Amino acid sequence: EIVLTQSPGTLSLSPGERATLSCRASQSVSSSYLAWFQQKPGQAPRLLIFATSSRATGIPDRFSGSGSGTDFTLIISRLEPEDFAVYYCQQYGTSPWTFGQGTKVEIK
Amino acid sequence: QVQLLESGPGLVKPSETLSLTCTVSGGSISSYYWTWIRQPPGKGLEWIGYIYYSGSASYNPSLTSRVTISVDTSKNQFSLKLSSVTAADTAMYYCAMGFDLWGQGTLVTVSS
Repeated sequence: EIVLTQSPGTLSLSPGERATLSCRASQSVSSSYLAWFQQKPGQAPRLLIFATSSRATGIPDRFSGSGSGTDFTLIISRLEPEDFAVYYCQQYGTSPWTFGQGTKVEIK
Repeated sequence: QVQLLESGPGLVKPSETLSLTCTVSGGSISSYYWTWIRQPPGKGLEWIGYIYYSGSASYNPSLTSRVTISVDTSKNQFSLKLSSVTAADTAMYYCAMGFDLWGQGTLVTVSS
């Protein structure tokens, strides 16, 4: 199965700053089928990005995704207070679908 | 607006079968595909499997010997059965439309 490794484990930033989250795959992700989710405490994950760079419905444009092959990035251009959460990447190009272990974005 | 709601027992005994149902409202289950995902307390996400409205399913190989996902289009529901459960199956179980839209989740604890 494809193992996804996210870095860093925790990102400590202030509101207004830029967040850069990394997701590295153990093998190439088929057809760039890579998604990003946001999860807040006590809530279900919410889809942010699919197909590497397409924003899901209602997701603000401060969230952007990029990458290809084995290296993918989620950028939050200017952190808002509601953006502090855990972020997961997921590949859905090869069965079994797999998730990264998560990156926690916390308030500095 | 499509909504999903998981239901089922919150406590299951070891070696028994975990059974959950996801009810879809605000839209028809007779399109797209429908997914189960779980998250042990304080841990990450694990894909369990998905089923198309036609009944064709795909499962995580790590669970395939114990899992069955089925769909009931007449009730606009799909279901998860996981047999021979152990404490390692204790988790929040989520149903989802593809992976676009998720239910709120239901916590299942495996304990005697």
